[in-house]
Amino acid sequence: SAVISQKPSRDICQRGTSLTIQCQVDSQVTMMFWYRQQPGQSLTLIATANQGSEATYESGFVIDKFPISRPNLTFSTLTVSNMSPEDSSIYLCSTRGGQGSGTGELFFGEGSRLTVL
Amino acid sequence: AQSVAQPEDQVNVAEGNPLTVKCTYSVSGNPYLFWYVQYPNRGLQFLLKYITGDNLVKGSYGFEAEFNKSQTSFHLKKPSALVSDSALYFCAVRVFSGGYNKLIFGAGTRLAVHP
Repeated sequence: SAVISQKPSRDICQRGTSLTIQCQVDSQVTMMFWYRQQPGQSLTLIATANQGSEATYESGFVIDKFPISRPNLTFSTLTVSNMSPEDSSIYLCSTRGGQGSGTGELFFGEGSRLTVL
Repeated sequence: AQSVAQPEDQVNVAEGNPLTVKCTYSVSGNPYLFWYVQYPNRGLQFLLKYITGDNLVKGSYGFEAEFNKSQTSFHLKKPSALVSDSALYFCAVRVFSGGYNKLIFGAGTRLAVHP
């Protein structure tokens, strides 16, 4: 397994501002995944962050709105840019918990709950 | 399209009774299936997975799940529910897309266990 820490755990933001969420893993991992969970909804994958390359975004998500950094094998950031109330969600960082882990289960951080006013 | 469905928004069960939370899937190839639980204001916790082998898999907190290939189902079960099992449960399936293996999640089922 992997222990994943996210900061901030929650924040209240003003419309039009941007916020960066940090994700730290306790071991080196190849890929990190960012999910969004809108209120009362399931998880939707935003992007896959592979160290040393540009993040791969899912349909409906773009780099200008959700820029991602992956500077090393234990850390990633997700920025939510130019926020609107529709961006109010829980943002979750996840990983498979160690290089070479091929069985597929993901481990999640506690999430960052953003409320945009 | 590859997908996973949880047909019930909520399941209510009395403490001590058996519980089932349903999940069906649609994927190409052999499915890798997972169950997660989310407690209020928390992230997701991994419960169990099916990759291959025995159709009945056992996981954390006394939960188990039965893989049924002919019915394309992977229902979560527990013989005797606890009030502390009340939470949001997500079924997920691994898909290969865009060059990566990813998990896609069902809509979630809220389990309410009453004393």
